[in-house]
Amino acid sequence: EAQVTQNPRYLITVTGKKLTVTCSQNMNHEYMSWYRQDPGLGLRQIYYSMNVEVTDKGDVPEGYKVSRKEKRNFPLILESPSPNQTSLYFCASSSRTGRNTEAFFGQGTRLTVV
Amino acid sequence: DAKTTQPPSMDCAEGRAANLPCNHSTISGNEYVYWYRQIHSQGPQYIIHGLKNNETNEMASLIITEDRKSSTLILPHATLRDTAVYYCIVRSSGTGGYNKLIFGAGTRLAVHP
Repeated sequence: EAQVTQNPRYLITVTGKKLTVTCSQNMNHEYMSWYRQDPGLGLRQIYYSMNVEVTDKGDVPEGYKVSRKEKRNFPLILESPSPNQTSLYFCASSSRTGRNTEAFFGQGTRLTVV
Repeated sequence: DAKTTQPPSMDCAEGRAANLPCNHSTISGNEYVYWYRQIHSQGPQYIIHGLKNNETNEMASLIITEDRKSSTLILPHATLRDTAVYYCIVRSSGTGGYNKLIFGAGTRLAVHP
């Protein structure tokens, strides 16, 4: 089954404690992205990757890092989380080629930073 | 990418057709209309997309006006499980780019018994 898997689904952490949210897709997609969703602000793109070792900033990259060492994985790293990073996070992947470039989203990671 | 305008909320009776409108008056010739939905706080789910012809799949139909300035997503027989926020997104497609999606506020569809 085609899917994007995020882990963990829920996470409560303390300010300053480094954390990583993993994202993995099994569709051999080139493109992967991270979004955060906040009430009243909708979904905003944090970082994206066009292929292995190719990443770039989205609209709200401050406080986040990503890496793309393998095609299937795109982890989101918070080196020093702060309470304003409390949010619902989604990873997405899509194919570069073809007419049907729909994006597949993971089930989300609800992060609370206290 | 062109901006879209959707009503903030709509109601629909179960079993009836749900018609969700979207205005995209500044759409350009190479931009597609995409529809996604988000049920509760789950990840957004792709529904359908089109360029200028009407499209239909197992989930919905997409009707795009001849001037492409507006479109309507039709759920032919809405069920309670179709209660969700529906997003209309206009963007370029095909090869190249990085498939960024710009989500607006969407339309909150409530299907009631």
